Amino acid sequence: NAGVTQTPKFRILKIGQSMTLQCTQDMNHNYMYWYRQDPGMGLKLIYYSVGAGITDKGEVPNGYNVSRSTTEDFPLRLELAAPSQTSVYFCASSYSELNSPLHFGNGTRLTVT
Amino acid sequence: AQKITQTQPGMFVQEKEAVTLDCTYDTSDPSYGLFWYKQPSSGEMIFLIYQGSYDQQNATEGRYSLNFQKARKSANLVISASQLGDSAMYFCAMREANRDDKIIFGKGTRLHILP
Repeated sequence: NAGVTQTPKFRILKIGQSMTLQCTQDMNHNYMYWYRQDPGMGLKLIYYSVGAGITDKGEVPNGYNVSRSTTEDFPLRLELAAPSQTSVYFCASSYSELNSPLHFGNGTRLTVT
Repeated sequence: AQKITQTQPGMFVQEKEAVTLDCTYDTSDPSYGLFWYKQPSSGEMIFLIYQGSYDQQNATEGRYSLNFQKARKSANLVISASQLGDSAMYFCAMREANRDDKIIFGKGTRLHILP
């Protein structure tokens, strides 16, 4: 099993550019999440989804968009990249049960210059 | 208001000693789950242990245990007989059953194990 796969691993963007961070999981998890982790800090929730066609804002949604057209995929879109979006982005998924832990991808390191 | 508080930004512990990493949380939901994750310097996130709000006993997983004090809203991670490989960032996280299933993390504690 591949688990949670994120692409790309690294990306450098210029200010104002746009990009999509890809995330796919093969565990048939209903729930998927996007987090960002700034250097030396904890994880901040950007967006999450409890199933195909359903998305909701997390703690820091501004500057991002998501879609969930299938159970497997949960792409994160950055429009008009800003230096403040320089971070490591983690995608994660879980079952719906309260005790289901998050399974994380390996992260995408994004630099906006 | 911050929902998960980890008050120790960094800790230094001698190898083979036990270590306690603090986590306090804030919720009005009677049904919630608390998780601890480890993030080594390589960057991946590793699930360690889970405690449910209705669990009668403290969770244990090998060298990891949770000191769960529900009335004080604390869920401290205890690592027994620490090893050099335990050096990492440790994050506490909470999932509230009736709050749209958001999973919120604390800021983390960086643990350094000294030989």
